[in-house]
Amino acid sequence: AQKITQTQPGMFVQEKEAVTLDCTYDTSDQSYGLFWYKQPSSGEMIFLIYQGSYDEQNATEGRYSLNFQKARKSANLVISASQLGDSAMYFCAMREGAGNMLTFGGGTRLMVKP
Amino acid sequence: NAGVTQTPKFQVLKTGQSMTLQCAQDMNHEYMSWYRQDPGMGLRLIHYSVGAGITDQGEVPNGYNVSRSTTEDFPLRLLSAAPSQTSVYFCASSYGTIGNTIYFGEGSWLTVV
Repeated sequence: AQKITQTQPGMFVQEKEAVTLDCTYDTSDQSYGLFWYKQPSSGEMIFLIYQGSYDEQNATEGRYSLNFQKARKSANLVISASQLGDSAMYFCAMREGAGNMLTFGGGTRLMVKP
Repeated sequence: NAGVTQTPKFQVLKTGQSMTLQCAQDMNHEYMSWYRQDPGMGLRLIHYSVGAGITDQGEVPNGYNVSRSTTEDFPLRLLSAAPSQTSVYFCASSYGTIGNTIYFGEGSWLTVV
């Protein structure tokens, strides 16, 4: 079974609008962490936001917020006020336990229209 | 502060050749790992290390070898390159506690012909 599932291979959003990228995960661990990374066409992995399984509040980082629904095992990324520079691949990833071993989803390609 | 440095950035190999991808970090991170990214896919874990002298296999370890003689360095060796190893390789590092950011290198583009 897939540990991280991103069901949207590609999405369009109008500039200045908000967009939600979906991510569901599967784990039996109580302690885990969820990450979102942005990968522009240049290829580097840019960290966006992190949510720990014990964090009671949803994580926010500037225009990025994580809609964490633990019972539903979902960790959706919300980007507010989309910008042209947000066009990129977005990956959801999970870390189970300590360390930095991540399991990645297949990614969502976001395209922002002017 | 250089962060995570990968070399080379681009490499073309012939089938059967061997090579080493270098990864160095200057943040005194305990944890380091190597991932590969095939076109249109997410990253997959090859090998990882939780400290100097300790390594273990990830999801796709076949054809790769690693060692960790120092905290700073975590080289990835391709023993006999195959076209299936054409990919982008990422090195990552972090502290060993939960919740810390994981830092990625800029990636190494490898083509095996």
